[in-house]
Amino acid sequence: AQSVAQPEDQVNVAEGNPLTVKCTYSVSGNPYLFWYVQYPNRGLQFLLKYITGDNLVKGSYGFEAEFNKSQTSFHLKKPSALVSDSALYFCAVRDMRNFNKFYFGSGTKLNVKP
Amino acid sequence: DGGITQSPKYLFRKEGQNVTLSCEQNLNHDAMYWYRQDPGQGLRLIYYSQIVNDFQKGDIAEGYSVSREKKESFPLTVTSAQKNPTAFYLCASSIVSPILYGYTFGSGTRLTVV
Repeated sequence: AQSVAQPEDQVNVAEGNPLTVKCTYSVSGNPYLFWYVQYPNRGLQFLLKYITGDNLVKGSYGFEAEFNKSQTSFHLKKPSALVSDSALYFCAVRDMRNFNKFYFGSGTKLNVKP
Repeated sequence: DGGITQSPKYLFRKEGQNVTLSCEQNLNHDAMYWYRQDPGQGLRLIYYSQIVNDFQKGDIAEGYSVSREKKESFPLTVTSAQKNPTAFYLCASSIVSPILYGYTFGSGTRLTVV
């Protein structure tokens, strides 16, 4: 079965410091991985995706994610956090048998303090 | 501007009532999806549709129904059979190859049982 796990319910970081939001996956075969961000009472916005190729993927708003096959991880990173980055972040993996389905993690709330 | 419109933003339902959540997109996307979001549980797929007049059950379809009479519209009915309907409902759309493009999400409808 395909799944993703976000081990941290909440991440706190000071503005200007680097941030990492963790995601691990479980799939058979090569994974297709995504990160989305959600602001309060809004839908999810696409940040970045990994399909194949370079393990470091760059996305919107200065975010990047590192794919690590040996550790089955796809952590979201940003070198310098902004207060406006405070939001709920979701990792997702595509169902390998039905590409119309994605499995989402439980979400990680990022709090960036001034 | 192209996008997905969900209405209403907030909806209150009495016990035993059916309610219908609207989802309209003008992105010319073929596929549309309904997800339910509960705190700490991520997003769970209710129903999805790849083409007009066709739809498939997701992981938690019981107590819900959908229709896809037009490409632009994918309404979700929460029936009285859904025992715990209070949640945030998200509609999404994609071209038929979401592995490359990901989803576009609406802003959501918050349903509360009173």
